[in-house]
Amino acid sequence: ELKVEQNPLFLSMQEGKNYTIYCNYSTTSDRLYWYRQDPGKSLESLFVLLSNGAVKQEGRLMASLDTKARLSTLHITAAVHDLSATYFCAVDIYMEYGNKLVFGAGTILRVKS
Amino acid sequence: NAGVTQTPKFRVLKTGQSMTLLCAQDMNHEYMYWYRQDPGMGLRLIHYSVGEGTTAKGEVPDGYNVSRLKKQNFLLGLESAAPSQTSVYFCASGKGDRAYLGETQYFGPGTRLLVL
Repeated sequence: ELKVEQNPLFLSMQEGKNYTIYCNYSTTSDRLYWYRQDPGKSLESLFVLLSNGAVKQEGRLMASLDTKARLSTLHITAAVHDLSATYFCAVDIYMEYGNKLVFGAGTILRVKS
Repeated sequence: NAGVTQTPKFRVLKTGQSMTLLCAQDMNHEYMYWYRQDPGMGLRLIHYSVGEGTTAKGEVPDGYNVSRLKKQNFLLGLESAAPSQTSVYFCASGKGDRAYLGETQYFGPGTRLLVL
């Protein structure tokens, strides 16, 4: 059974600081997604990582994928309050009838000013 | 484009009652999914559909049924609600097939269900 583990599960950081969220998964997959969820809201797609070594950047967020280590990272640079949200990674695996996503538990990020 | 919509947004049920959650998408996606979100557990797949008239079980299907009579709609039914089904339910749609590299799933706004 595929397991997806995120750490930390809760992160409180000061504005202007850098930090990394880790996503480990237990089976072979070459596609991984990062989503953002604001309180009481739906999930918003941030990044789609499609191959080993893939790196994507958007503003202060950068995501990478190492399929050999079964590890993805979401790096936050010079955090600002607007980045406060819950971040999920999700691994794409192929089932009998198409693909499915298996989600990590999520990392709650609070950026303090 | 409305994207993915869900009805209702919030519902309170008593144990044993039944209800149906409706998901609609206007992106002509073949694949549709129902997830539940519980604190500290991320999203877990309940059922999914790979096209009109075809459904399959996900990770946590017990106590739920689904139907996909039209391509744009995916219904989730609770025949006899239990307090353990108190959760936030999200519907999603996507192209699904591995041929569509880089295609993410698109999520609806969620339905908050409280079973007393």
